[in-house]
Amino acid sequence: GAVVSQHPSWVICKSGTSVKIECRSLDFQATTMFWYRQFPKQSLMLMATSNEGSKATYEQGVEKDKFLINHASLTLSTLTVTSAHPEDSSFYICSALGTGPGNTIYFGEGSWLTVV
Amino acid sequence: EDQVTQSPEALRLQEGESSSLNCSYTVSGLRGLFWYRQDPGKGPEFLFTLYSAGEEKEKERLKATLTKKESFLHITAPKPEDSATYLCAVADYGQNFVFGPGTRLSVLP
Repeated sequence: GAVVSQHPSWVICKSGTSVKIECRSLDFQATTMFWYRQFPKQSLMLMATSNEGSKATYEQGVEKDKFLINHASLTLSTLTVTSAHPEDSSFYICSALGTGPGNTIYFGEGSWLTVV
Repeated sequence: EDQVTQSPEALRLQEGESSSLNCSYTVSGLRGLFWYRQDPGKGPEFLFTLYSAGEEKEKERLKATLTKKESFLHITAPKPEDSATYLCAVADYGQNFVFGPGTRLSVLP
């Protein structure tokens, strides 16, 4: 089946620094990728939708300048958390929209971010 | 606006006790309904896609069914390893995907 790889799986950073998370579709091309945030025991919260070669569309309440999304190729999207603060600590998950008749969304394994 | 609700919010079953999870939806035009399983601290794992009312799909102890308003995920003789959160999502022809809040399933040995 389709595979989406997310890296790193977990990262600890100091407050004020920036962190980049990568999302790759390994065996298919993904024109659209999604970024989610999830707090413990809560559902997925869509942060933004990124389309290859164009600017990401952010959900209401998500700061564009804080969560920078780049989708430069059909297999890679990146999320950069800039000037991270402890309240940004969370589980970040990406997903990619497969092509073909199924058009199923496949998820990465997620990235745990802890800001200290 | 597309909407998805799931019930129950949480479900506890004894091993071997079959049950069903519900996903109710409203969508402008259903392109597909998806079921995922999510274990704690991991990304959701794809289970099924259903495209039209009356369709059914099975995988091991799981069977998903679809009507025009809802989908059921039937779990037959569950085992403790089936414990997870089960997410339902719908996609419309505008490429919008909407996820439900999930059902947390616990299967006790």
